[in-house]
Amino acid sequence: QQQVKQSPQSLIVQKGGIPIINCAYENTAFDYFPWYQQFPGKGPALLIAIRPDVSEKKEGRFTISFNKSAKQFSLHIMDSQPGDSATYFCAASMSQGGSEKLVFGKGTKLTVNP
Amino acid sequence: DAGVTQSPTHLIKTRGQQVTLRCSPKSGHDTVSWYQQALGQGPQFIFQYYEEEERQRGNFPDRFSGHQFPNYSSELNVNALWLGDSALYLCASSLAGPGRLGYTFGSGTRLTVV
Repeated sequence: QQQVKQSPQSLIVQKGGIPIINCAYENTAFDYFPWYQQFPGKGPALLIAIRPDVSEKKEGRFTISFNKSAKQFSLHIMDSQPGDSATYFCAASMSQGGSEKLVFGKGTKLTVNP
Repeated sequence: DAGVTQSPTHLIKTRGQQVTLRCSPKSGHDTVSWYQQALGQGPQFIFQYYEEEERQRGNFPDRFSGHQFPNYSSELNVNALWLGDSALYLCASSLAGPGRLGYTFGSGTRLTVV
């Protein structure tokens, strides 16, 4: 119940394409869903996050779509660029007594070809 | 404004040895969480420290222990190292409270156990 399942494992798109990464969760107590971007040799960096009372959130070229009934959420990257090539992680968390921990998916390695 | 600082960046240890990893949180943050990221996997939560106390713990054995100092910096200790402990260890800092400002991750310490 603590798992977050992420797909695909890897993704290759051409510059300007719209890669889509999907995640699913089981635990309905999760109430915060962030996406992280990680470059080799670096720690994950927060890209965008959403709460379950919102169905979509956009920040620049990044959009999260959230389907509460299906317990699924996805990341769309508009007009993808070679600089977007990185590993992307979805995550979920819930607050427990003022503390929270992130449960991560296994990651998607995105390659954007020029 | 310095982000999260971790030291050392790389470390090689022998099976059975003990290791201490260090983390300085982002300025203004008072909560430190530690994550283990095996190669090709998403980060897994080890534990979280707030007000010098372990507030929440993931599914890791007692060989993994930690400490938080009055200046909010933190240490992760691992005893009796196994080959399977080889991973990137990430420290993340955040600000406790009702608002979710999100984690800031450091670049990690790459631990290799031989």
